Amino acid sequence: GQNIDQPTEMTATEGAIVQINCTYQTSGFNGLFWYQQHAGEAPTFLSYNVLDGLEEKGRFSSFLSRSKGYSYLLLKELQMKDSASYLCAVRSNAGNMLTFGGGTRLMVKP
Amino acid sequence: GAVVSQHPSRVICKSGTSVKIECRSLDFQATTMFWYRQFPKQSLMLMATSNEGSKATYEQGVEKDKFLINHASLTLSTLTVTSAHPEDSSFYICSARLAGFADTQYFGPGTRLTVL
Repeated sequence: GQNIDQPTEMTATEGAIVQINCTYQTSGFNGLFWYQQHAGEAPTFLSYNVLDGLEEKGRFSSFLSRSKGYSYLLLKELQMKDSASYLCAVRSNAGNMLTFGGGTRLMVKP
Repeated sequence: GAVVSQHPSRVICKSGTSVKIECRSLDFQATTMFWYRQFPKQSLMLMATSNEGSKATYEQGVEKDKFLINHASLTLSTLTVTSAHPEDSSFYICSARLAGFADTQYFGPGTRLTVL
């Protein structure tokens, strides 16, 4: 089976940097995704990592270490609109399915 | 690109009735679509994998006779909740897999189902 852990809630200040961690245990790892989900809306794709290292995309970066079963999402220059849940999802080789973590609810304060 | 639509966005029905939810990939073809359910303040739980032209694969604990899935074309999958009960009230979200390097799943806007 798969086990994905991420903090339940985080709070940060507008303009600051925040790092959301995700640890996972899985067999047949085939990629890790980060999604953003605003309340009552569907998740939107943020990033994808399949090899070790850092992927940067504007204000958002995502890091992966396969040997440690660890990823983080880094958000820079936080804006109020970044207040949302951030979902870490791991894909396994079997069936191309995603297993989601519980999500981290980020609150950005002025 | 990679837009997925879902219809209806919100539905309220009486207990015992059936509800059909449509999921469409608007600008790409999706051989595989997925159906998720999300309860308040919880994460997404995969219900089933829908493959075009073949039977859906259901996750453990999901009743295939209650949640009927049809993936009749490369751009449309439907989920029918049969004989709905109040405990079926939830946020149902579909996703479509865009084939490519990342095989990313793109999500529809979701359907809020309330069963009275």
